[in-house]
Amino acid sequence: KQEVTQIPAALSVPEGENLVLNCSFTDSAIYNLQWFRQDPGKGLTSLLLIQSSQREQTSGRLNASLDKSSGRSTLYIAASQPGDSATYLCAVEGNTDKLIFGTGTRLQVFP
Amino acid sequence: DAGVIQSPRHEVTEMGQEVTLRCKPISGHNSLFWYRQTMMRGLELLIYFNNNVPIDDSGMPEDRFSAKMPNASFSTLKIQPSEPRDSAVYFCASRLQGAAGEQYFGPGTRLTVT
Repeated sequence: KQEVTQIPAALSVPEGENLVLNCSFTDSAIYNLQWFRQDPGKGLTSLLLIQSSQREQTSGRLNASLDKSSGRSTLYIAASQPGDSATYLCAVEGNTDKLIFGTGTRLQVFP
Repeated sequence: DAGVIQSPRHEVTEMGQEVTLRCKPISGHNSLFWYRQTMMRGLELLIYFNNNVPIDDSGMPEDRFSAKMPNASFSTLKIQPSEPRDSAVYFCASRLQGAAGEQYFGPGTRLTVT
């Protein structure tokens, strides 16, 4: 059974810092891995999707990497801003169309 | 595109009442997913449809929960009778089947059962 873990559970940093959020999964037989952002009381916004054949994806200040064999992904946020404050979720998809979500990292960036 | 639309956004009901949550997927998407989010269990998949057909309902917690997709543009999740432990945020998501691509989430329905 696939299990997804995210570390740290919470993170508070000053503006301008570069951040690394970690995601690990137990079954390496995945089709893709997706990073989401969730603001309080809101839905999920897809940030990046990495197919199993890819090693990384970039969007603006965000970079996500995938090491399928070791069951790890990282989300790198460069030059963090207060507007980046949110909960970040990773999710993996196997061969069943199902997304299995991690528990999330709650990020606070203070001015 | 308006994105995935869910209604109502908030629902407060008394234990024992029937609750119906509604979802309109993104036009052209033929896979639809229902999720539940709680503090204790995080985000869990309840059921998903491909081309209006339920594929996997193993996440539906009890027989009190049922979901339908009568056409490509509408789905319902019904709880009858509702219980306080059903209180959660329910999300609907959609995507193109088989594309192994992004799922697009709706804003969610916050359900409170008293």
